[in-house]
Amino acid sequence: GQNIDQPTEMTATEGAIVQINCTYQTSGFNGLFWYQQHAGEAPTFLSYNVLDGLEEKGRFSSFLSRSKGYSYLLLKELQMKDSASYLCAVRDSLQAGTALIFGKGTTLSVSS
Amino acid sequence: GAGVSQSPRYKVAKRGQDVALRCDPISGHVSLFWYQQALGQGPEFLTYFQNEAQLDKSGLPSDRFFAERPEGSVSTLKIQRTQQEDSAVYLCASSIGTGLSEQYFGPGTRLTVT
Repeated sequence: GQNIDQPTEMTATEGAIVQINCTYQTSGFNGLFWYQQHAGEAPTFLSYNVLDGLEEKGRFSSFLSRSKGYSYLLLKELQMKDSASYLCAVRDSLQAGTALIFGKGTTLSVSS
Repeated sequence: GAGVSQSPRYKVAKRGQDVALRCDPISGHVSLFWYQQALGQGPEFLTYFQNEAQLDKSGLPSDRFFAERPEGSVSTLKIQRTQQEDSAVYLCASSIGTGLSEQYFGPGTRLTVT
């Protein structure tokens, strides 16, 4: 079956670094996505990994290990506005119209 | 428009009522997805359109759910005889192509069935 696991909640303080882990077991693999979702708002795209390694984009980085079925999202220099849910999602096929398979999301609370 | 829009943003329906949820994708986007997001969960796939063709409806939970995109742009998700378990946020996403392109999400419609 398809399974994506990530922690339910995490807390951190302003200025700190936090790492949100995601493990996946899917029938196929064609890319892993991280989305940020503020309460009541649309998920917004943060990063995409299809090859092993680290992708860096400003304060946010994402890592992928396909052999381990593992990814993490690293957030540096945390700000209060980073308080949100972070969704890990896998695309399991190259076929047209392949939907994303999402984890349940990790709610990150940043305090001052 | 600048992004994906959905209406209404909030809908309260009495059990047994029919509802219609609208999605306006980004202009020119070929692919359109509907997802259902229950409280505290990640989005789950409902159905996929490529232009006006509904190519995958494997995620629709029952035959009370129906979606259309007659002209290949705006899409409507209809739920007949709503039940309490239908309460969720319904998200629409569009992408420019059919394969690897990024999906852009709308803000969702929060449906509450009382």
